[in-house]
Amino acid sequence: GDSVTQMEGPVTLSEEAFLTINCTYTATGYPSLFWYVQYPGEGLQLLLKATKADDKGSNKGFEATYRKETTSFHLEKGSVQVSDSAVYFCALSAWRSGTLTFGKGTMLLVSP
Amino acid sequence: DAGVIQSPRHEVTEMGQEVTLRCKPISGHNSLFWYRQTMMRGLELLIYFNNNVPIDDSGMPEDRFSAKMPNASFSTLKIQPSEPRDSAVYFCASSGGTSGGAGSYNEQFFGPGTRLTVL
Repeated sequence: GDSVTQMEGPVTLSEEAFLTINCTYTATGYPSLFWYVQYPGEGLQLLLKATKADDKGSNKGFEATYRKETTSFHLEKGSVQVSDSAVYFCALSAWRSGTLTFGKGTMLLVSP
Repeated sequence: DAGVIQSPRHEVTEMGQEVTLRCKPISGHNSLFWYRQTMMRGLELLIYFNNNVPIDDSGMPEDRFSAKMPNASFSTLKIQPSEPRDSAVYFCASSGGTSGGAGSYNEQFFGPGTRLTVL
């Protein structure tokens, strides 16, 4: 079945550092790919998405490119802030049903 | 819009008791999803509804779990009897369109979750 694998955390960075969180997937058909963010005590919020190969999703300085050849959707940000501290989830939507399959999440901790 | 509303936010109960979690989706959304989040298993889809009809409940762990959606603005997830291993955060999410393949995906909006502790 469909699956998403993300790097384990926590990822600990200093403010203004470069961020990469790796995500790879296994899926049949043509899934759409997503990054969700979860701040402490809150539900998940959609951060960005890409619906086809070579698409780049971007939002709030975060970017991810849908790489079909490597089945990856790595999240990047050039300069992180303390307010970016959260748990980040990579997800895909199933070809047939449109339901989401999530990775286990990666905690990001940014210190001043 | 108030977003997806879940109640209660926190629930502490004893093993064997019945637990009912409630969700009000965003008005106009016709798909509703129940998820469970634990440290060990991450975020798991339990069941989802489309136009109030359960479409896939294969994620419901056991017969102790049941979910209903009597109308477009309300859903419940019930656990009876509850067990300590049911302790988790339960999220409800809703989306505005029908699910069905790439290109028809609609963003899922999540509620704040219910943190359930079963002693």
